[in-house]
Amino acid sequence: AQKVTQAQTEISVVEKEDVTLDCVYETRDTTYYLFWYKQPPSGELVFLIRRNSFDEQNEISGRYSWNFQKSTSSFNFTITASQVVDSAVYFCALSEYKAAGNKLTFGGGTRVLVKP
Amino acid sequence: KAGVTQTPRYLIKTRGQQVTLSCSPISGHRSVSWYQQTPGQGLQFLFEYFSETQRNKGNFPGRFSGRQFSNSRSEMNVSTLELGDSALYLCASSPPHSENTGELFFGEGSRLTVL
Repeated sequence: AQKVTQAQTEISVVEKEDVTLDCVYETRDTTYYLFWYKQPPSGELVFLIRRNSFDEQNEISGRYSWNFQKSTSSFNFTITASQVVDSAVYFCALSEYKAAGNKLTFGGGTRVLVKP
Repeated sequence: KAGVTQTPRYLIKTRGQQVTLSCSPISGHRSVSWYQQTPGQGLQFLFEYFSETQRNKGNFPGRFSGRQFSNSRSEMNVSTLELGDSALYLCASSPPHSENTGELFFGEGSRLTVL
């Protein structure tokens, strides 16, 4: 069965510092998708990124960047120059291609607190 | 464009009762998924409906059920409520081009408290 582990439960930084969120996953499938979602205090999860298992190219989107390393089964997320609005809980998730549909296995989440 | 709408937002029930939660997906989205979020177990997949058919199911007892209507709106029902069913229930829908890729648009959830 698949599993996603986010070892950091809470990270506190001062505005403008960089913060990296770790995500380690387990799956027996060779084809799968990895995700990051953000959950602000309002409660709804917001989709940030999806990577498939064949694409290990790192990605940058504004202040966000993602580092996918298949060799270590990790999909880490970095926020550069953090801002107060980045305060939220961030979830890493996995879905297996063979399952079809949208069945995601989530990690436990990392709460990020950015102080002004 | 309206987002995913869940009703009610908050509700309180007592053990043994049953509850029905409603979810209206974004217009044009045919896939609707439900997740349970609790402090202890985190986010757990309940089930997914696509074109009125359940196509995935999580590891929850039969007390948890759902359905989807022809207009893609979905309901989930929990019967014989237990204290452990207290949770935030999140509904999510997928756009037509991402129905198998996990790109989900979530509602703000229905927070259920069981006393």
